[in-house]
Amino acid sequence: GAVVSQHPSRVICKSGTSVKIECRSLDFQATTMFWYRQFPKQSLMLMATSNEGSKATYEQGVEKDKFLINHASLTLSTLTVTSAHPEDSSFYICSARSPDQPQHFGDGTRLSIL
Amino acid sequence: GNSVTQMEGPVTLSEEAFLTINCTYTATGYPSLFWYVQYPGEGLQLLLKATKADDKGSNKGFEATYRKETTSFHLEKGSVQVSDSAVYFCALSDLTGGFKTIFGAGTRLFVKA
Repeated sequence: GAVVSQHPSRVICKSGTSVKIECRSLDFQATTMFWYRQFPKQSLMLMATSNEGSKATYEQGVEKDKFLINHASLTLSTLTVTSAHPEDSSFYICSARSPDQPQHFGDGTRLSIL
Repeated sequence: GNSVTQMEGPVTLSEEAFLTINCTYTATGYPSLFWYVQYPGEGLQLLLKATKADDKGSNKGFEATYRKETTSFHLEKGSVQVSDSAVYFCALSDLTGGFKTIFGAGTRLFVKA
């Protein structure tokens, strides 16, 4: 069946660095990808919606300059956390859908900023 | 806007007990409803779904029925196992929301042997 792959699954880096997370739809063309964030013992909160070839739509309270989203092709979206700080440490999950495919979730990326 | 409310946890049960996790929703359109499960340290897994009123989703002994009259999608299982211990999320998605998924707060289930 359709699969969404997220990479890396875990990243640990120093404060101030930028981190890029990739989300790929492996066997379908994802017209829309979503990025979620999950703090420990909390629910998933939508950060932004990304449509291929257009600018991402960010949810209220999400800093677009902090969380850069690129959806350059129908199979790849990237989330870059710029100048990451410890408070950005979280579990980031992407999902992808198309008119022919329901939403499929990646396995998530655990980001730890030291 | 759309929202999902589910019962607070944690829920602690003995093995083979009956499970109910309540979920109600608010939506402006005609949403699809989902239950996802998250095991410790892992991502989300789709447990079951229902796309229209009166549909029943089922998987691995879990069931939920889409009740439009009560705007509910309660999760049930007749006999839980220790391996069912996880966090369960009720969620909805619909066209008017751009198909983005709105999650409930999650309910943590502990099953004791």
